[in-house]
Amino acid sequence: KQEVTQIPAALSVPEGENLVLNCSFTDSAIYNLQWFRQDPGKGLTSLLLIQSSQREQTSGRLNASLDKSSGRSTLYIAASQPGDSATYLCAVYTGANSKLTFGKGITLSVRP
Amino acid sequence: NAGVTQTPKFQVLKTGQSMTLQCAQDMNHEYMSWYRQDPGMGLRLIHYSVGAGITDQGEVPNGYNVSRSTTEDFPLRLLSAAPSQTSVYFCASSPKIPYEQYFGPGTRLTVT
Repeated sequence: KQEVTQIPAALSVPEGENLVLNCSFTDSAIYNLQWFRQDPGKGLTSLLLIQSSQREQTSGRLNASLDKSSGRSTLYIAASQPGDSATYLCAVYTGANSKLTFGKGITLSVRP
Repeated sequence: NAGVTQTPKFQVLKTGQSMTLQCAQDMNHEYMSWYRQDPGMGLRLIHYSVGAGITDQGEVPNGYNVSRSTTEDFPLRLLSAAPSQTSVYFCASSPKIPYEQYFGPGTRLTVT
């Protein structure tokens, strides 16, 4: 059974800092990995999707990497801003049962 | 494009009552799914559909029914509400598996 872990559960950083959010998964037979952002009381917004054959994807100040063999992904946020404060979730598609397995998320607070 | 829409946004039910959570998408996506999000548990898949007329169970299907008569709509029915079904419910859609998923804004349900 696929398990996705995100540690730590919460993170607080000063504005301007570059930061890395980690995601690990137990079953390396994934189709892809997706990073989402969730603001309080809102739905999930897709940030980046990395196919299993890719090593990284970039969108603006965000860069996501994938090391499938070691079961790890990182989301790098450059020059963090207070507007980046949210919960970040990673999720992986595994196997033939069409299932997206989520981590519990990392709640990020960027202090002005 | 409205994307994925969900109604209602909030609902309070008494134990034993039934209700239907509505989900619609206007992107002509084949795949639709329902998740529930609970503190400390993350997002868990309830039911999913790979196309009109086809549905299947996810991780936590008990107490819920779904049907998919059109490509656009995927309602979730609570047959006899229980306090354990207090949660935030998200509908998601995707062109097909395992493409990028798009989430609705969620329905916050309280069962007393």
